[in-house]
Order: sequence, then C-alpha cells, then structure tokens
Amino acid sequence: AQSVSQHNHHVILSEAASLELGCNYSYGGTVNLFWYVQYPGQHLQLLLKYFSGDPLVKGIKGFEAEFIKSKFSFNLRKPSVQWSDTAEYFCAVILNTGNQFYFGTGTSLTVIP
Amino acid sequence: DAMVIQNPRYQVTQFGKPVTLSCSQTLNHNVMYWYQQKSSQAPKLLFHYYDKDFNNEADTPDNFQSRRPNTSFCFLDIRSPGLGDAAMYLCATSRGLGGQETQYFGPGTRLLVL
Repeated sequence: AQSVSQHNHHVILSEAASLELGCNYSYGGTVNLFWYVQYPGQHLQLLLKYFSGDPLVKGIKGFEAEFIKSKFSFNLRKPSVQWSDTAEYFCAVILNTGNQFYFGTGTSLTVIP
Repeated sequence: DAMVIQNPRYQVTQFGKPVTLSCSQTLNHNVMYWYQQKSSQAPKLLFHYYDKDFNNEADTPDNFQSRRPNTSFCFLDIRSPGLGDAAMYLCATSRGLGGQETQYFGPGTRLLVL
C-alpha cells in the first residue's frame, strides 16, 4: 500500500525563522504531489502542487517545495515564517494514473510572535 | 465565492442511531469525495462519485453509504454509528478524475457518537 510520511508532528518556531517540513512517500511510479494547509477552524486549502517540470515549485504565501525523485521526498519550505502561518500542514500524493489522494498525518506548526 | 459547503459543522449522534452528513458545492465539479479523518491520523478516502457513478474503497465498512441526488449535493449516511466512527468527515470535489486534478475541500463535519 502507498504511504506518505510526515516526520515532524509538531513544530514550534519563532517569527522570521526558516521552515522546512518533511514529506516522503513510498510509491515508485509517477506521482503528483500536493501540500495543503489547514488554518485553525478552516478547511484544507491548496498551498502548492507538483505534476512535472521544474522540481522546485512555488506556492502561495511564500511557500515552496522541492521534489527530489531519488529521495521520494517533497519537502515544504519557507525562508521566514509569520505568526499567521500557524496551521496544520498536510502532504498528499496521488498516482499519476490514480484517483485517490494519500495523505500524510499532518504537521502542526505553531509560530510564536 | 465558489466553494464546498458542509453541514452541520458539528454533529452529535447516539450509538446505533442513523446519521446523515451533507455536502454541497458551487464549483460544478464532476467528482465528489468523502474522507474520514480520525484524531492525529491522515484523511482516509471512503468513496467518491464521478457524476452518478459510485466508487467505494475496498476497505470502507458497509455501515457507510452515500447518495448523490444531483451534481451539487452529496450525502454520507452512517447506518449504525459506533464509537469508533467518531471522526472528522471531509467532503472534497474535483473537476475530473486522475492524478492531475486538484481536490477542493469543505470545512468538515465533526461527528461525536455518544
């Protein structure tokens, strides 16, 4: 079965610190990759996605992610976090020929002003 | 704004008492999904509709059913909720099927079973 691992369950940072959240998946075929964010009390929103092309993907709100195929990874980064980035972050993978999203368990980010 | 709407946001039911959760969308998307998310776990797909075609995941319990009377609405019916069914239920939509379709999520309904 496919799996998606997010190694950091809880991350606490001060404002202006740099962020990197890890995401690894287990499928060896062609995949499409997503990062979703869930702000407190709100729905899951798409941050960014990777289908093909440049492995460095830029998303909304200054986030970016890098797809490293050899490491089966799609880590999320932001050079300088803000208090408003406090949220739950989910990595998701879908097979290029599939219909089902496989989600990671999420990483809770708390940014301290 | 076009969106995915779920009602209610919180639902309390009794053990064994049927409950229905609703989802509506204004995106005019062909596909609607239902996910179950238990505490500290990843969302897990229960089933999806592509138009009127229903697709059940192999490990979805028979206790869970779904209806899609039209493009805009999709319902999740839990026939006899158990304590283990307490979870957040997420509805999502996508324009089509396949790996390059983005899914758009509703805010979820948190189900409590007493």
